[in-house]
Amino acid sequence: SQQGEEDPQALSIQEGENATMNCSYKTSINNLQWYRQNSGRGLVHLILIRSNEREKHSGRLRVTLDTSKKSSSLLITASRAADTASYFCATEGNNRLAFGKGNQVVVIP
Amino acid sequence: DAMVIQNPRYQVTQFGKPVTLSCSQTLNHNVMYWYQQKSSQAPKLLFHYYDKDFNNEADTPDNFQSRRPNTSFCFLDIRSPGLGDAAMYLCATSRDLSIESYEQYFGPGTRLTVT
Repeated sequence: SQQGEEDPQALSIQEGENATMNCSYKTSINNLQWYRQNSGRGLVHLILIRSNEREKHSGRLRVTLDTSKKSSSLLITASRAADTASYFCATEGNNRLAFGKGNQVVVIP
Repeated sequence: DAMVIQNPRYQVTQFGKPVTLSCSQTLNHNVMYWYQQKSSQAPKLLFHYYDKDFNNEADTPDNFQSRRPNTSFCFLDIRSPGLGDAAMYLCATSRDLSIESYEQYFGPGTRLTVT
């Protein structure tokens, strides 16, 4: 089964800095999605990028997708304390999402 | 506001005592999912309903069952909870299974403790 896998490093940054996290996967996909999860809460959908797209923006978020390398990156620009959360990538295929392990981001005010 | 609601938010049950977790949605979505998420791990899909069609993941233990009596409600039944079933259980919905409508909407989760 396909599986999104983020780089496992926890990230701690100062407010205003940019945060970048990466995700790799193993099989072909229809789309790749990024979700945010605040501590003890459900996941919130951030952005979806289709397999035929290379880059997508949504507000302070920028997602890239390289299907040849089976990888994606999520960039959060001008981070805020409220961006502190875990971020998961999820690959879609066979009508189901497979989530990666998540990347903990801490934004220090 | 349209949303996904999970009750209760926290559930404590005893080892071996059946427990039911509840999920409801006001989004009128066709698909409802149940995920299990253990501490610092990725959510793991247990099963999903596409309308009334039940789709079980191959590695979901038989101990876990689900019911969807109508579009709005979906239940997760754990027949004989073990200590290893302590986790956050997340319910999610999506409008359909087509690529264009595959964004999932999650409830806040139910944290299950097994004593």
